[in-house]
Amino acid sequence: EPEVTQTPSHQVTQMGQEVILRCVPISNHLYFYWYRQILGQKVEFLVSFYNNEISEKSEIFDDQFSVERPDGSNFTLKIRSTKLEDSAMYFCATYRGHEQYFGPGTRLTVT
Amino acid sequence: AQKVTQAQTEISVVEKEDVTLDCVYETRDTTYYLFWYKQPPSGELVFLIRRNSFDEQNEISGRYSWNFQKSTSSFNFTITASQVVDSAVYFCALTGYNFNKFYFGSGTKLNVKP
Repeated sequence: EPEVTQTPSHQVTQMGQEVILRCVPISNHLYFYWYRQILGQKVEFLVSFYNNEISEKSEIFDDQFSVERPDGSNFTLKIRSTKLEDSAMYFCATYRGHEQYFGPGTRLTVT
Repeated sequence: AQKVTQAQTEISVVEKEDVTLDCVYETRDTTYYLFWYKQPPSGELVFLIRRNSFDEQNEISGRYSWNFQKSTSSFNFTITASQVVDSAVYFCALTGYNFNKFYFGSGTKLNVKP
């Protein structure tokens, strides 16, 4: 069964550094999302793509964040100048038909 | 504004009890979709169900059932004869007709004790 994959599973970085999180979506799924979940809290929408274009960004998704599709298939989430409060699980997901498929997440720890 | 409220922060039951998780939503859209997800202690998010705004039929899948009532803007989830493996955080979510943005509730942590 096809699945969404994410790398790395855990990333530790120092405050002020830049990190890049990667996601391989299920091919031929047109909807793509990045979410964030601070430990013990709810899942927060960051940004969505439809047909290779950003379709919506949340108020959280400010200039510190950017999303790219470097090779036409994979997605990256770049977080510049990381802050302590960026520590969270970052999930990517795709949507097709009736289901949303989540990747296993990347745990980002900012020290 | 779009909003999902899960008022129950944490519920504890004993195995084999039935339990209902509440979800109340707000939206101005006439077409929208509601979802339930399970997040077990291992942390992954597992899709459980999607419901369209124009389909108010209740749904049953094994021990799981969902009750969608537009009149009260609720989409409640019932687990019958709960099991320890049902212990998890359950999230309710809402999106509009174009699936551009998903709004999640704060989640309900279910503890099923043997």
